[in-house]
Amino acid sequence: QSALTQPASVSGSPGQSITISCTGTSSDVGNYNLVSWYQQHPGKAPKLIIYEVTKRPTGVSNRFSGSKSGNTASLTISGLQAEDEDDYYCCSYAAGSHHWVFGGGTKLTVL
Amino acid sequence: EVQLLESGGGLVQPGGSLRLACAASGFTFSSDDMSWLRQAPGKGLEWVSSISGSAYSRSYGDSVKGRFTISRDNSKNTLYLQMNSLRAEDTAVYYCAKNRSGSYYYWGQGTLVTVSS
Repeated sequence: QSALTQPASVSGSPGQSITISCTGTSSDVGNYNLVSWYQQHPGKAPKLIIYEVTKRPTGVSNRFSGSKSGNTASLTISGLQAEDEDDYYCCSYAAGSHHWVFGGGTKLTVL
Repeated sequence: EVQLLESGGGLVQPGGSLRLACAASGFTFSSDDMSWLRQAPGKGLEWVSSISGSAYSRSYGDSVKGRFTISRDNSKNTLYLQMNSLRAEDTAVYYCAKNRSGSYYYWGQGTLVTVSS
């Protein structure tokens, strides 16, 4: 069982927007603005797409955006494209012995 | 261009040891914290260990504490992970990553470690 909770799967049609939630506790997501999101194509290394809750690395499409409310962080992908069909993981700093915790991952299907 | 290249993975028996290496280039290696993460087959990502640029600070996940040791050689721009007392549940692709702003900003391509008799 992962420390952060993500939906196992989400889906959307091309052009639509989808949101993936990442729920933690007041010891991780709720207490630190150190939430990051990663995109992973099967068989490939993960790629950072959001850091510090809302920031995008250079080169990442502005169709990807992040936010946080209380103990839940969210990744929104707007203008969905077929190439967005991947696995997405959230990560947060966590107080105590866990240090850094991940969500279980969400598989995005573009219909 | 930042490049991270892992090596050292392979098949090892339970209870055995293995040392992974990650050769870094394209940035000032000694200035950046580095990490190891892993992904078991068909599973999600797991943080394993991190080390500060000077190697003064090291931290480990609960599942590997006491068995794995992270280190670095800043003169060789190389990160290491010494893995002892390996278990079947350590089977995974191991990634090295460059830390930045509380995230894993760059990743290597990964190296597969299989623990099996």
